[in-house]
Amino acid sequence: GAGVSQSPRYKVAKRGQDVALRCDPISGHVSLFWYQQALGQGPEFLTYFQNEAQLDKSGLPSDRFFAERPEGSVSTLKIQRTQQEDSAVYLCASNPGSSFNQPQHFGDGTRLSIL
Amino acid sequence: GENVEQHPSTLSVQEGDSAVIKCTYSDSASNYFPWYKQELGKRPQLIIDIRSNVGEKKDQRIAVTLNKTAKHFSLHITETQPEDSAVYFCAAPYSGGYQKVTFGIGTKLQVIP
Repeated sequence: GAGVSQSPRYKVAKRGQDVALRCDPISGHVSLFWYQQALGQGPEFLTYFQNEAQLDKSGLPSDRFFAERPEGSVSTLKIQRTQQEDSAVYLCASNPGSSFNQPQHFGDGTRLSIL
Repeated sequence: GENVEQHPSTLSVQEGDSAVIKCTYSDSASNYFPWYKQELGKRPQLIIDIRSNVGEKKDQRIAVTLNKTAKHFSLHITETQPEDSAVYFCAAPYSGGYQKVTFGIGTKLQVIP
């Protein structure tokens, strides 16, 4: 079946603009994660959903970052009033259950560049 | 929360030699340790994982060892090939009940033909 799909693959925005990044997890996957990956670094946790419930958002850098998964499938990460430091690759991952002892299935990411 | 340290940050080996990457973690309750491979511009992909009830797991040229007492685990790649060149990440879950996975900083492996 299809893997985790993210769109757009690349996004260029001017500082101060709002952006929305989309993640389509593998069908039926309960858990969905968002990560921020800066150049040359490992993925940094942003937020976690179990179905439609956002159970952990402790990694969101500021109140400009907002994520939702209203129907427990597709998720959107929104960044308001973007800043240059928001430039990074944003990765989405999903896994089938709610246990943390499972491999994560990653999307290809959205490379966000803020000018 | 979990603190994961990974080293070395870069590693160059000759084709056919072995490569070893090490990670330490801080939360003694962690019990699942995956390794991911990320090629340039691509998604991280799981290559091997280990659970805390075993000390070693092997899959062809790749093996992972776990020492729960010392809280460290290692990735071993034998008979390295040029296609093994990539960035490798270890990870450990946050044991606070949810799946907040903490990743290491990554090791850039270069296999020289």
